[in-house]
Amino acid sequence: DIQMTQSPSSLSASVGDRVTITCRASQSISSYLNWYQQKSGKVPKLLIYSASNLQSGVPSRFSGSGSGTDFALTISSLQPEDFATYYCQQGYSLWTFGQGTKVEFK
Amino acid sequence: QITLQESGPTVVKPTQTLTLTCTFSGFSLITSGVGVGWIRQPPGKALEWLALIYWDDDKRYNPSLESRLTITKDTSKNQVVLTMTNMDPVDTATYYCAQRQSSGYYNWFDPWGQGMLVTVSS
Repeated sequence: DIQMTQSPSSLSASVGDRVTITCRASQSISSYLNWYQQKSGKVPKLLIYSASNLQSGVPSRFSGSGSGTDFALTISSLQPEDFATYYCQQGYSLWTFGQGTKVEFK
Repeated sequence: QITLQESGPTVVKPTQTLTLTCTFSGFSLITSGVGVGWIRQPPGKALEWLALIYWDDDKRYNPSLESRLTITKDTSKNQVVLTMTNMDPVDTATYYCAQRQSSGYYNWFDPWGQGMLVTVSS
């Protein structure tokens, strides 16, 4: 089974900050990596697919990078609506989610 | 517009079997490459993928839960059904269904249903 490990588990940031969340796979998954945003009590929303492709309608301040085992989600300038939990997910061999990273207001 | 909606019991007793139905619209499960998956989320915890069924009736299960899960589809009704046997309080979670979309071999879940909270309690 492929395990996905996100870091940090939580972070505190201010509006306008640049935020980076990392995700590591237990084995190489090429670019089969997706990122989701989940606001409290809401349905997960796809942000990035195939490691670096921005889903339609997602603001350009979100970007994804990486391949193999190491990936990152970057928010270039944090906005109030970005405070949420973010999950990475691999689709290389079955499907596995990371444990989530909660972005909180500093 | 693609939509998915979960339905089923909101409370089940320990040892009972849970049956959830995902009713979808805006796509067909006979279209090559299409799949529907189930994902759950215990309160305050992370997402966990459970099962997925493809347009050709190929099925995949989470290895840690495979012995308890069955996924089926009814293309005439645009429905996917998940059964989970021997329910336990630790299975209390919000259960989501989602469409598997793909581009070549790359794939992702989008969109998702609204989810439904299932509580396991005697």
